[in-house]
Amino acid sequence: QTVVTQEPSFSVSPGGTVTLTCGLTSGSVSTRYYPSWYQQTPGQAPRTLIYSTNTRSSGVPDRFSGSILGNKAALTITGAQADDECDYYCVLYMGSGVSVFGGGTKLTVL
Amino acid sequence: QVQLVESGGGVVQPERSLRLSCAASRFTFSTYAMHWVRQAPGKGLEWVAVISSDGDNKYYADSVKGRFTISRDNSKNMLSLQMNSLRAEDTAVYYCAKDHSSGWPTYYGMDVWGQGTTVTVSS
Repeated sequence: QTVVTQEPSFSVSPGGTVTLTCGLTSGSVSTRYYPSWYQQTPGQAPRTLIYSTNTRSSGVPDRFSGSILGNKAALTITGAQADDECDYYCVLYMGSGVSVFGGGTKLTVL
Repeated sequence: QVQLVESGGGVVQPERSLRLSCAASRFTFSTYAMHWVRQAPGKGLEWVAVISSDGDNKYYADSVKGRFTISRDNSKNMLSLQMNSLRAEDTAVYYCAKDHSSGWPTYYGMDVWGQGTTVTVSS
């Protein structure tokens, strides 16, 4: 069974740039997986950041961008801020109506 | 602003059933596919199920297939999740979410999320 992979944790300095990735245990991620990205603060509902690889959801600042880097989907945060410190999840569309979440990345801003 | 309000969570014994509801407002509910996503305590998000705008197409995660049923009533702007044969590992916060797309099949994932309802399966 193919699993969606993400870095368990990552750190970035305030004002810095960080790229989180979303891959597959078998195969490469491409735009046909329509990768999407979600942000979640502990105890809160998720917030949608990016869908269809690189389209920002309504109200999401352009500090957040999505792309395909090599064989993975990527979420890049530029000018990291303290309130960017939370969990980030990717989702891949696996076909036949099924979507799968990655395990999530805990981002620390320090 | 789109609003999704889940209800129906609670404590239930293993092998029993529970029905979750999600009341939608401030958008044309009948136009969009809808999802259920859950999050076990201290764990990541898990996609559970999706239903097309007209209710004719339904897909499930393997972990719930055969036990959970997603449905909708477009006349009442309501999404539901019937959960049968519940297990301890079904303990989670359950979120309903609106899809980005008004088309089918839907590839784009979740757009707007509710605040969630908590289900605890315990004897």
